[in-house]
Amino acid sequence: QKEVEQNSGPLSVPEGAIASLNCTYSDRGSQSFFWYRQYSGKSPELIMFIYSNGDKEDGRFTAQLNKASQYVSLLIRDSQPSDSATYLCAVRPSWALNFGKGTSLLVTP
Amino acid sequence: DVKVTQSSRYLVKRTGEKVFLECVQDMDHENMFWYRQDPGLGLRLIYFSYDVKMKEKGDIPEGYSVSREKKERFSLILESASTNQTSMYLCASSYTGSGANVLTFGAGSRLTVL
Repeated sequence: QKEVEQNSGPLSVPEGAIASLNCTYSDRGSQSFFWYRQYSGKSPELIMFIYSNGDKEDGRFTAQLNKASQYVSLLIRDSQPSDSATYLCAVRPSWALNFGKGTSLLVTP
Repeated sequence: DVKVTQSSRYLVKRTGEKVFLECVQDMDHENMFWYRQDPGLGLRLIYFSYDVKMKEKGDIPEGYSVSREKKERFSLILESASTNQTSMYLCASSYTGSGANVLTFGAGSRLTVL
């Protein structure tokens, strides 16, 4: 079974703080890793993806990958109330993506 | 931008009815996918297709079939709808040549089976 695990949350952070979202996966053959954001009632939208070990930054978002530990994370700097959403971690072992169940993030003003 | 269009945003059907969910993408993507999303269960892959007339089972194909007669269109079929198929259905497409093979999702079709 190809597992992608995330804490369901909710993770609550104050406005302006750093939000840290974590994900572990079981399939060591996975090659690419994705973070999607999903607002209530909407479909998932891509935030960023990462292939290689280390950090990848895009604006306020940083994805971190550690393949040896089978761990991927997403940091959101200067969190805003508009960042309140469910964040889905996804892993690609082959054609399709395997998704975690998502972490609910609440950014409080 | 890639656009993935799902024909129906909300559907209400009765148990035993045959249900068609249609998905069209406008960017010549080879790969198309059907997921369902349920509270507490997350996104689960039903079927995917990597070419016209090709299909592969995902994690939960039971009770579903698919059709891909044209590259831009991928249909999900519920031969005999049951109440446990009440769910949000999400279609997605991707382009293998982009490297990342990023999935782009449609707006979703919320199906209620009574």
